[in-house]
Amino acid sequence: AQTVTQSQPEMSVQEAETVTLSCTYDTSESNYYLFWYKQPPSRQMILVIRQEAYKQQNATENRFSVNFQKAAKSFSLKISDSQLGDTAMYFCAFSPQGGSEKLVFGKGTKLTENP
Amino acid sequence: NAGVTQTPKFQVLKTGQSMTLQCAQDMNHEYMSWYRQDPGMGLRLIHYSVGAGITDQGEVPNGYNVSRSTTEDFPLRLLSAAPSQTSVYFCASRRRASGLKDTQYFGPGTRLTVL
Repeated sequence: AQTVTQSQPEMSVQEAETVTLSCTYDTSESNYYLFWYKQPPSRQMILVIRQEAYKQQNATENRFSVNFQKAAKSFSLKISDSQLGDTAMYFCAFSPQGGSEKLVFGKGTKLTENP
Repeated sequence: NAGVTQTPKFQVLKTGQSMTLQCAQDMNHEYMSWYRQDPGMGLRLIHYSVGAGITDQGEVPNGYNVSRSTTEDFPLRLLSAAPSQTSVYFCASRRRASGLKDTQYFGPGTRLTVL
């Protein structure tokens, strides 16, 4: 069974600075997808960024980028130029190829933005 | 498009009562899923469906029933509610397309309390 581990229960960052959230996972599959979801106080789950395991190039979406290390099974999220709206729970998630209706989530990292 | 909608937003039940959490999507997505989120935990998969008439169990299916009579709707039934089912429930859907186009879209969640 796949597992996803987020080792940082809480983190804080100053506005305009950069923060990196860690995620490791365990799987025996060679092809899969990885995601970062943001959950603000409204509880809505919002997709931040996604990565296909067979792509070596790290995904980027505006201020968000990932460091994907397939051999190490690591998938960290970097948030640049942090903004107050970035305050949220961040969840790392794994899905097998062709099966993202069966996401496996980590326990989350609570990110607090300090003005 | 309304996206993925869930009703009710909040519900309080007594132990032993039954109820149905409603989920609907207007994006013509083939795949739909139910997750629960407990404090300090990521989302965990309860049941999922890959099309009308087809359902399967996820990680934590005990105490829940589902059916999929139409593409649009995927209700989750609690036959005899227990305090352990106190949680926030999320419904999600996605297209059957392969690749990163198959990212899930989440509903706003239902907060259920069982006394």
